[in-house]
Amino acid sequence: DAEITQSPRHKITETGRQVTLACHQTWNHNNMFWYRQDLGHGLRLIHYSYGVQDTNKGEVSDGYSVSRSNTEDLPLTLESAASSQTSVYFCASSESKAAEQYFGPGTRLTVT
Amino acid sequence: SQQGEEDPQALSIQEGENATMNCSYKTSINNLQWYRQNSGRGLVHLILIRSNEREKHSGRLRVTLDTSKKSSSLLITASRAADTASYFCATDDTGNQFYFGTGTSLTVIP
Repeated sequence: DAEITQSPRHKITETGRQVTLACHQTWNHNNMFWYRQDLGHGLRLIHYSYGVQDTNKGEVSDGYSVSRSNTEDLPLTLESAASSQTSVYFCASSESKAAEQYFGPGTRLTVT
Repeated sequence: SQQGEEDPQALSIQEGENATMNCSYKTSINNLQWYRQNSGRGLVHLILIRSNEREKHSGRLRVTLDTSKKSSSLLITASRAADTASYFCATDDTGNQFYFGTGTSLTVIP
């Protein structure tokens, strides 16, 4: 069965370190998204991609970057982790721009 | 921000009762979607309603959309304990960006 996976599921890192969160989907979807979820804010879009070599900034992109070298993967990199980036991160994919999104299980990141 | 707002923030009902939650948004949309999130899990898509639709049904779910008021409602009929979760609306604006609301936490008491 097709799925979307995230790794690691939990990560503790120190302020200033570079961190990369992995997202892998086997739906063969062109569209992939990264969100962060914080209490009181719901989900906020960080970056998204509509295909290989395409990346776009979302609502809260500062301090984050993504690259899309193939259809299946969209890794999210925190260039220099900050305590404000402690959050739960969700990756999602969709078949088309306005279609339902399929979510991964999430990565809980703690920056100390 | 285009972020939607769900109302109420929290809702507690008895099993068998109906649950209604509302979503308001700020600008024109292509469609509106509702998602469910069980504790500690990712979101699961429930239903999508397009901007030219007014009502849609899926099983025990009924969604309405009023574009003139920029609002939507999700009705869950004959609720079950398994419906306990957080519910989010998401809007796809005309720029194809997705915005999720802050969610309604539903507790169904057996």
